[in-house]
Amino acid sequence: AQSVTQPDIHITVSEGASLELRCNYSYGATPYLFWYVQSPGQGLQLLLKYFSGDTLVQGIKGFEAEFKRSQSSFNLRKPSVHWSDAAEYFCAVGPFNDYKLSFGAGTTVTVRA
Amino acid sequence: GAGVSQSPSNKVTEKGKDVELRCDPISGHTALYWYRQSLGQGLEFLIYFQGNSAPDKSGLPSDRFSAERTGGSVSTLTIQRTQQEDSAVYLCASSQPPFDAEETQYFGPGTRLLVL
Repeated sequence: AQSVTQPDIHITVSEGASLELRCNYSYGATPYLFWYVQSPGQGLQLLLKYFSGDTLVQGIKGFEAEFKRSQSSFNLRKPSVHWSDAAEYFCAVGPFNDYKLSFGAGTTVTVRA
Repeated sequence: GAGVSQSPSNKVTEKGKDVELRCDPISGHTALYWYRQSLGQGLEFLIYFQGNSAPDKSGLPSDRFSAERTGGSVSTLTIQRTQQEDSAVYLCASSQPPFDAEETQYFGPGTRLLVL
Protein backbone atom coordinates (compact mmCIF):
# COMPACT_ATOMS: atom_id res chain seq x y z
CA ALA A 1 0.00 0.00 0.00
CA GLN A 2 1.12 3.52 -0.65
CA SER A 3 1.72 6.16 2.01
CA VAL A 4 2.73 9.79 2.14
CA THR A 5 4.78 11.70 4.70
CA GLN A 6 4.87 15.45 5.02
CA PRO A 7 7.59 16.04 7.63
CA ASP A 8 6.73 19.67 8.33
CA ILE A 9 3.50 20.30 10.19
CA HIS A 10 3.82 24.08 10.10
CA ILE A 11 6.04 26.48 8.18
CA THR A 12 6.23 30.25 8.59
CA VAL A 13 7.68 32.25 5.75
CA SER A 14 8.03 35.96 5.03
CA GLU A 15 6.16 37.44 2.12
CA GLY A 16 8.43 37.49 -0.90
CA ALA A 17 10.64 34.71 0.40
CA SER A 18 10.90 31.31 -1.20
CA LEU A 19 8.94 28.31 0.01
CA GLU A 20 9.64 24.61 -0.14
CA LEU A 21 7.29 21.96 1.22
CA ARG A 22 8.55 18.43 1.58
CA CYS A 23 6.75 15.28 0.57
CA ASN A 24 8.03 11.73 0.73
CA TYR A 25 6.07 8.77 -0.50
CA SER A 26 6.23 5.04 -0.22
CA TYR A 27 5.03 3.06 -3.17
CA GLY A 28 6.39 0.05 -5.02
CA ALA A 29 5.98 1.36 -8.54
CA THR A 30 5.79 4.66 -10.35
CA PRO A 31 3.11 6.64 -8.59
CA TYR A 32 0.84 9.42 -9.60
CA LEU A 33 1.67 12.41 -7.39
CA PHE A 34 -0.41 15.44 -6.53
CA TRP A 35 -0.25 18.62 -4.52
CA TYR A 36 -3.48 20.18 -3.27
CA VAL A 37 -4.05 23.42 -1.38
CA GLN A 38 -6.85 24.05 1.08
CA SER A 39 -7.68 27.59 2.11
CA PRO A 40 -9.79 28.14 5.22
CA GLY A 41 -13.38 27.13 4.59
CA GLN A 42 -12.58 25.95 1.09
CA GLY A 43 -12.32 22.58 -0.55
CA LEU A 44 -9.05 21.22 -1.82
CA GLN A 45 -7.76 22.75 -5.03
CA LEU A 46 -5.32 20.92 -7.26
CA LEU A 47 -2.03 22.80 -7.66
CA LEU A 48 -0.22 20.32 -9.88
CA LYS A 49 0.18 16.66 -10.66
CA TYR A 50 2.85 14.31 -11.96
CA PHE A 51 2.19 11.19 -13.98
CA SER A 52 5.23 10.71 -16.18
CA GLY A 53 7.75 12.55 -18.33
CA ASP A 54 9.52 15.70 -17.20
CA THR A 55 10.22 15.43 -13.49
CA LEU A 56 9.79 19.17 -12.95
CA VAL A 57 6.11 20.00 -13.01
CA GLN A 58 4.62 23.46 -13.25
CA GLY A 59 1.34 24.21 -11.57
CA ILE A 60 -1.02 27.05 -10.89
CA LYS A 61 -0.30 30.10 -8.76
CA GLY A 62 3.42 29.98 -9.56
CA PHE A 63 4.07 26.64 -7.86
CA GLU A 64 6.29 23.88 -9.16
CA ALA A 65 7.28 20.46 -7.89
CA GLU A 66 10.09 18.09 -8.67
CA PHE A 67 9.78 14.32 -8.69
CA LYS A 68 12.93 12.58 -7.50
CA ARG A 69 12.60 8.84 -7.77
CA SER A 70 15.89 8.14 -5.99
CA GLN A 71 14.68 10.06 -2.94
CA SER A 72 11.00 9.08 -3.20
CA SER A 73 10.20 12.75 -2.95
CA PHE A 74 7.91 15.25 -4.61
CA ASN A 75 8.72 18.59 -3.02
CA LEU A 76 6.67 21.69 -3.76
CA ARG A 77 8.35 25.05 -4.32
CA LYS A 78 7.48 28.65 -4.96
CA PRO A 79 10.17 31.28 -5.55
CA SER A 80 8.31 34.21 -3.99
CA VAL A 81 5.43 33.73 -1.58
CA HIS A 82 2.39 36.00 -1.48
CA TRP A 83 0.20 36.54 1.57
CA SER A 84 -2.59 34.71 -0.24
CA ASP A 85 -0.49 31.53 -0.21
CA ALA A 86 -1.24 31.08 3.49
CA ALA A 87 -3.13 27.79 3.54
CA GLU A 88 -2.77 24.10 4.21
CA TYR A 89 -0.98 22.03 1.60
CA PHE A 90 -1.49 18.33 1.02
CA CYS A 91 0.64 15.92 -0.93
CA ALA A 92 -1.11 12.84 -2.30
CA VAL A 93 -0.09 9.68 -4.09
CA GLY A 94 -2.19 7.41 -6.24
CA PRO A 95 -1.26 4.08 -7.74
CA PHE A 96 -1.32 3.56 -11.46
CA ASN A 97 -4.77 2.79 -12.79
CA ASP A 98 -6.48 3.27 -9.44
CA TYR A 99 -8.52 6.05 -7.93
CA LYS A 100 -7.66 5.71 -4.27
CA LEU A 101 -5.45 8.60 -3.29
CA SER A 102 -3.42 8.53 -0.08
CA PHE A 103 -2.88 11.94 1.46
CA GLY A 104 -0.24 13.26 3.78
CA ALA A 105 -1.24 14.95 7.02
CA GLY A 106 -0.68 18.36 5.49
CA THR A 107 1.62 21.33 6.04
CA THR A 108 0.18 24.61 7.25
CA VAL A 109 1.88 27.65 5.76
CA THR A 110 1.77 30.99 7.53
CA VAL A 111 2.94 34.06 5.65
CA ARG A 112 4.18 37.02 7.68
CA ALA A 113 4.39 40.52 6.34
CA GLY B 1 -19.70 25.97 -14.10
CA ALA B 2 -20.66 25.12 -10.54
CA GLY B 3 -18.26 23.13 -8.44
CA VAL B 4 -18.91 20.34 -5.99
CA SER B 5 -21.31 21.45 -3.31
CA GLN B 6 -21.88 19.95 0.12
CA SER B 7 -24.44 20.52 2.82
CA PRO B 8 -24.64 21.34 5.58
CA SER B 9 -21.38 23.21 5.93
CA ASN B 10 -21.40 22.61 9.66
CA LYS B 11 -23.25 20.07 11.78
CA VAL B 12 -23.30 19.72 15.52
CA THR B 13 -24.99 16.63 16.92
CA GLU B 14 -25.26 14.68 20.10
CA LYS B 15 -23.60 11.34 20.58
CA GLY B 16 -25.88 8.54 19.48
CA LYS B 17 -27.83 10.55 16.92
CA ASP B 18 -27.83 9.82 13.19
CA VAL B 19 -26.58 12.39 10.68
CA GLU B 20 -26.84 12.73 6.92
CA LEU B 21 -24.32 14.62 4.82
CA ARG B 22 -25.05 15.57 1.25
CA CYS B 23 -22.84 15.96 -1.79
CA ASP B 24 -23.81 17.35 -5.16
CA PRO B 25 -21.05 16.60 -7.72
CA ILE B 26 -20.10 18.56 -10.79
CA SER B 27 -22.55 17.96 -13.58
CA GLY B 28 -21.31 15.22 -15.90
CA HIS B 29 -18.91 13.73 -13.38
CA THR B 30 -19.78 10.09 -12.96
CA ALA B 31 -17.19 9.30 -10.29
CA LEU B 32 -17.83 10.43 -6.73
CA TYR B 33 -15.65 10.02 -3.64
CA TRP B 34 -16.07 10.59 0.08
CA TYR B 35 -13.10 11.34 2.33
CA ARG B 36 -12.76 12.08 6.03
CA GLN B 37 -10.30 14.62 7.36
CA SER B 38 -9.70 14.29 11.07
CA LEU B 39 -7.84 16.95 13.04
CA GLY B 40 -4.14 16.80 12.25
CA GLN B 41 -4.61 13.94 9.82
CA GLY B 42 -4.56 13.64 6.09
CA LEU B 43 -7.60 12.72 4.12
CA GLU B 44 -8.88 9.20 4.63
CA PHE B 45 -10.66 7.52 1.72
CA LEU B 46 -14.14 6.30 2.67
CA ILE B 47 -16.13 5.26 -0.37
CA TYR B 48 -16.16 5.55 -4.16
CA PHE B 49 -19.04 5.50 -6.63
CA GLN B 50 -18.72 5.08 -10.38
CA GLY B 51 -21.82 5.24 -12.50
CA ASN B 52 -24.11 2.30 -11.82
CA SER B 53 -21.37 -0.02 -10.62
CA ALA B 54 -21.29 -1.35 -7.09
CA PRO B 55 -19.54 1.20 -4.86
CA ASP B 56 -16.13 0.57 -3.34
CA LYS B 57 -16.86 0.70 0.38
CA SER B 58 -13.47 -0.52 1.50
CA GLY B 59 -12.66 2.68 3.37
CA LEU B 60 -15.74 2.86 5.56
CA PRO B 61 -14.51 2.61 9.17
CA SER B 62 -17.51 0.74 10.60
CA ASP B 63 -20.98 -0.50 9.74
CA ARG B 64 -22.39 2.70 11.24
CA PHE B 65 -21.27 4.43 8.06
CA SER B 66 -23.19 4.04 4.81
CA ALA B 67 -23.57 6.01 1.61
CA GLU B 68 -25.81 6.01 -1.38
CA ARG B 69 -25.92 7.78 -4.66
CA THR B 70 -29.28 8.39 -6.24
CA GLY B 71 -29.68 8.67 -9.97
CA GLY B 72 -25.94 8.73 -10.50
CA SER B 73 -25.72 12.25 -9.13
CA VAL B 74 -26.34 13.40 -5.55
CA SER B 75 -24.81 11.31 -2.78
CA THR B 76 -25.68 11.04 0.90
CA LEU B 77 -23.28 9.82 3.56
CA THR B 78 -25.10 8.59 6.66
CA ILE B 79 -23.52 8.03 10.03
CA GLN B 80 -25.68 6.16 12.51
CA ARG B 81 -25.33 6.34 16.29
CA THR B 82 -22.60 8.95 16.02
CA GLN B 83 -19.60 8.77 18.30
CA GLN B 84 -17.24 11.55 19.35
CA GLU B 85 -14.47 10.05 17.23
CA ASP B 86 -16.65 10.67 14.17
CA SER B 87 -15.99 14.40 14.57
CA ALA B 88 -14.13 15.45 11.44
CA VAL B 89 -14.49 17.27 8.15
CA TYR B 90 -16.16 15.09 5.53
CA LEU B 91 -15.08 15.94 2.01
CA CYS B 92 -16.71 14.92 -1.22
CA ALA B 93 -14.99 14.91 -4.60
CA SER B 94 -16.02 14.10 -8.13
CA SER B 95 -14.19 13.42 -11.36
CA GLN B 96 -14.64 12.62 -15.02
CA PRO B 97 -14.19 9.13 -16.35
CA PRO B 98 -12.04 7.01 -16.81
CA PHE B 99 -11.81 7.11 -13.03
CA ASP B 100 -8.22 6.29 -12.38
CA ALA B 101 -5.84 8.50 -10.45
CA GLU B 102 -4.93 10.37 -13.62
CA GLU B 103 -8.27 12.12 -13.56
CA THR B 104 -8.35 15.17 -11.35
CA GLN B 105 -10.63 14.93 -8.37
CA TYR B 106 -12.49 18.16 -7.68
CA PHE B 107 -13.33 18.68 -4.02
CA GLY B 108 -16.23 20.33 -2.29
CA PRO B 109 -15.82 22.65 0.72
CA GLY B 110 -16.64 19.87 3.17
CA THR B 111 -19.04 19.36 6.06
CA ARG B 112 -17.55 19.96 9.47
CA LEU B 113 -19.15 17.49 11.89
CA LEU B 114 -18.90 17.87 15.64
CA VAL B 115 -20.28 15.15 17.88
CA LEU B 116 -20.81 16.25 21.45
